[in-house]
Amino acid sequence: SQQGEEDPQALSIQEGENATMNCSYKTSINNLQWYRQNSGRGLVHLILIRSNEREKHSGRLRVTLDTSKKSSSLLITASRAADTASYFCATDAGGYQKVTFGIGTKLQVIP
Amino acid sequence: GAVVSQHPSRVICKSGTSVKIECRSLDFQATTMFWYRQFPKQSLMLMATSNEGSKATYEQGVEKDKFLINHASLTLSTLTVTSAHPEDSSFYICSARQSIAKNIQYFGAGTRLSVL
Repeated sequence: SQQGEEDPQALSIQEGENATMNCSYKTSINNLQWYRQNSGRGLVHLILIRSNEREKHSGRLRVTLDTSKKSSSLLITASRAADTASYFCATDAGGYQKVTFGIGTKLQVIP
Repeated sequence: GAVVSQHPSRVICKSGTSVKIECRSLDFQATTMFWYRQFPKQSLMLMATSNEGSKATYEQGVEKDKFLINHASLTLSTLTVTSAHPEDSSFYICSARQSIAKNIQYFGAGTRLSVL
């Protein structure tokens, strides 16, 4: 299975702290994406990192990718209460064009 | 840009009735749309891939006669849950792909289906 697995499954931090979520996957990928889901809502695309990239930034988000370890991390710096949500990694193996989602990390940022 | 509208957001129905959920890409043409089902505190499970003008491709274990998918235009796909039963109660989410090259999906807000 191509499914990613996020770690930890739940994370609770104080506002202002950094939040780090990890994702591991099993087979080769074309790219890896991170999405965010607020409770009871659809997903919002955050960032995409290609297999030949090692790090990518977008605002307070920093994503790393280690293809040798088949893992990725999402760092949210200076967290805010509004960052409270579930975060999913999604792997794209290319070709078949089907993106597979991991089980998610539920982040709670306490004001 | 890249807005996907999903309607209705919530539906409550009696067992045995059919429910139709619409997914529209508002500002782009989506040759491919995806339908997911999400159980509480779980990830998204892909149900089917919907291509405009052709039959949907269903994932293993998904009953195509139970979950009818129609992708009649480049901006609209519908999912009909036929003869719904309580076990069909779930959160259904659609997404649309704008670019094959990047394979980024834009999601609707989801539909909460409750079958009594």
